[in-house]
Amino acid sequence: AQSVTQPDIHITVSEGASLELRCNYSYGATPYLFWYVQSPGQGLQLLLKYFSGDTLVQGIKGFEAEFKRSQSSFNLRKPSVHWSDAAEYFCAVGANTGGFKTIFGAGTRLFVKA
Amino acid sequence: SQTIHQWPATLVQPVGSPLSLECTVEGTSNPNLYWYRQAAGRGLQLLFYSVGIGQISSEVPQNLSASRPQDRQFILSSKKLLLSDSGFYLCACPRLDAQYFGPGTRLTVL
Repeated sequence: AQSVTQPDIHITVSEGASLELRCNYSYGATPYLFWYVQSPGQGLQLLLKYFSGDTLVQGIKGFEAEFKRSQSSFNLRKPSVHWSDAAEYFCAVGANTGGFKTIFGAGTRLFVKA
Repeated sequence: SQTIHQWPATLVQPVGSPLSLECTVEGTSNPNLYWYRQAAGRGLQLLFYSVGIGQISSEVPQNLSASRPQDRQFILSSKKLLLSDSGFYLCACPRLDAQYFGPGTRLTVL
């Protein structure tokens, strides 16, 4: 069965510091992988996605993620965090099994300190 | 592009009262539709998904039910709410390139 693990429930970084949010997935075939961001009280916004090709994908707001098949990982990175990046981040894997289904990780809440 | 609407945006209900949350989709036909719940401090839990009118699959046993009376309408219901039903409910439409989400309904059960 497909699953997504985000091992860090919350992370605190200083403004201007680099960020890496971890994501590991379990899926038998080549996965569709996504990162979403959710600001407090809001819906989810797609940051970036990986389907195939270049394993380093660029997203909005200066985020990028790297797909590593050997590690079953899809970690999200940003070189310099801004206070407005404080939010909850969800990694997700898409599976096409009798209809397209997206499985989400539990999320990582990012706190940014001045 | 498609747009997902959810109504209401916020709801406060007493324990034991009924519930009806509505999700409607524009800009696409015959969509797959999902209901997710996000409880405080927790991730997204898939509750129900529907591949067409009258077709509902439940992912977890619970106090809630779903219905798909029209192609672009998906309704989440309960006959008697529990405290544990509080949370943020999101309707979503998955596609290969992304999953589109509605703005969500914040439900508080007192």
